[in-house]
Amino acid sequence: DVKVTQSSRYLVKRTGEKVFLECVQDMDHENMFWYRQDPGLGLRLIYFSYDVKMKEKGDIPEGYSVSREKKERFSLILESASTNQTSMYLCASIGQGPYEQYFGPGTRLTVT
Amino acid sequence: DAKTTQPTSMDCAEGRAANLPCNHSTISGNEYVYWYRQIHSQGPQYIIHGLKNNETNEMASLIITEDRKSSTLILPHATLRDTAVYYCIVTEGILTGGGNKLTFGTGTQLKVEL
Repeated sequence: DVKVTQSSRYLVKRTGEKVFLECVQDMDHENMFWYRQDPGLGLRLIYFSYDVKMKEKGDIPEGYSVSREKKERFSLILESASTNQTSMYLCASIGQGPYEQYFGPGTRLTVT
Repeated sequence: DAKTTQPTSMDCAEGRAANLPCNHSTISGNEYVYWYRQIHSQGPQYIIHGLKNNETNEMASLIITEDRKSSTLILPHATLRDTAVYYCIVTEGILTGGGNKLTFGTGTQLKVEL
């Protein structure tokens, strides 16, 4: 089974802190994604990466950056966390067949 | 990507078929219909996808109307564990390097009850 893991299930950070959210997949997938999920807004794509060191902006990239140094790992970075970045963050990966995204369990981030 | 419309919530008795509708009247010829679900406190899970023909797998069936403007996800024998939010997504959006961009709306909250 494909496994997508995220470094933390719950995280509490202070405004202005730099925050790293890590995602690792074990199926050699090329494409990886970061979403955030907020009540009433569904899932929104922040960034995605289709290869090592490659990244593209999704629908809401402002306030975020990403890093993909190794194929299995995709990191989401909040350079200076703000309270409006309190959310559930979901990582996903997909192989060459473009039909099925595999999601991690999510990280619930609270910025105070 | 075409917009989809789903009911906000639905109820279903355990053991009965759950039929979840989705309207996608602006779908274009090369757009697929995907269904995902999200059980509380978990990441979304892929269920099924289709282009024109009806599809069936071990989890569900997908019925797409002939004009492709709507579809129905069928869970043939719903169980309590099928209680989840179900997302209908329509997209052709091929990402650079492969893979489809999926835009998740707010979905349908299905509640399966005894």
